Amino acid sequence: GQNIDQPTEMTATEGAIVQINCTYQTSGFNGLFWYQQHAGEAPTFLSYNVLDGLEEKGRFSSFLSRSKGYSYLLLKELQMKDSASYLCAVRDSNYQLIWGAGTKLIIKP
Amino acid sequence: DAGITQSPRHKVTETGTPVTLRCHQTENHRYMYWYRQDPGHGLRLIHYSYGVKDTDKGEVSDGYSVSRSKTEDFLLTLESATSSQTSVYFCAISESEGGHETQYFGPGTRLLVL
Repeated sequence: GQNIDQPTEMTATEGAIVQINCTYQTSGFNGLFWYQQHAGEAPTFLSYNVLDGLEEKGRFSSFLSRSKGYSYLLLKELQMKDSASYLCAVRDSNYQLIWGAGTKLIIKP
Repeated sequence: DAGITQSPRHKVTETGTPVTLRCHQTENHRYMYWYRQDPGHGLRLIHYSYGVKDTDKGEVSDGYSVSRSKTEDFLLTLESATSSQTSVYFCAISESEGGHETQYFGPGTRLLVL
């Protein structure tokens, strides 16, 4: 079966750095996505990785290791507005997205 | 903003009644998707469409049907709603950017089946 694993919940402090991990086992791999979802809202696209390595986008970076089936999302200089759920998704061999259950990130002052 | 709207945004209905949710897009996207989101689960694909009158089943299609008679509209129908179909339903479109397809979501419909 196909599986995406993420921690259910994480807590971090405003101004700090947090790393959200995602491991996957899928039938094929055609890219990995990270989305942010605030409570009661729709998911919004954050980043895409298809090759190994780090993609940086402002305060957010995403890393991929295809050989390990592993990705992380790194958030720097945390702000209260970063409190949200972060969803990891992998595009499989059928070009469908397989989604993790999401990581709820709580930011404390 | 990918120009996606969903209606209704909230609905309460009774078990056994039919329900239709509408997804409307304004930018001529070919691919459209219906997902449901439940606590403890990732987004799960119900059905998707790759063109007018071209649809296919997703992971959790039982109890749902879809129709796409126009490019801009993708309808999701629960023929006879059950309490297990209480969920948040998201429509998405697929947009090509930077050499890959990215999905963008509508605002969602919260459905409660009593």
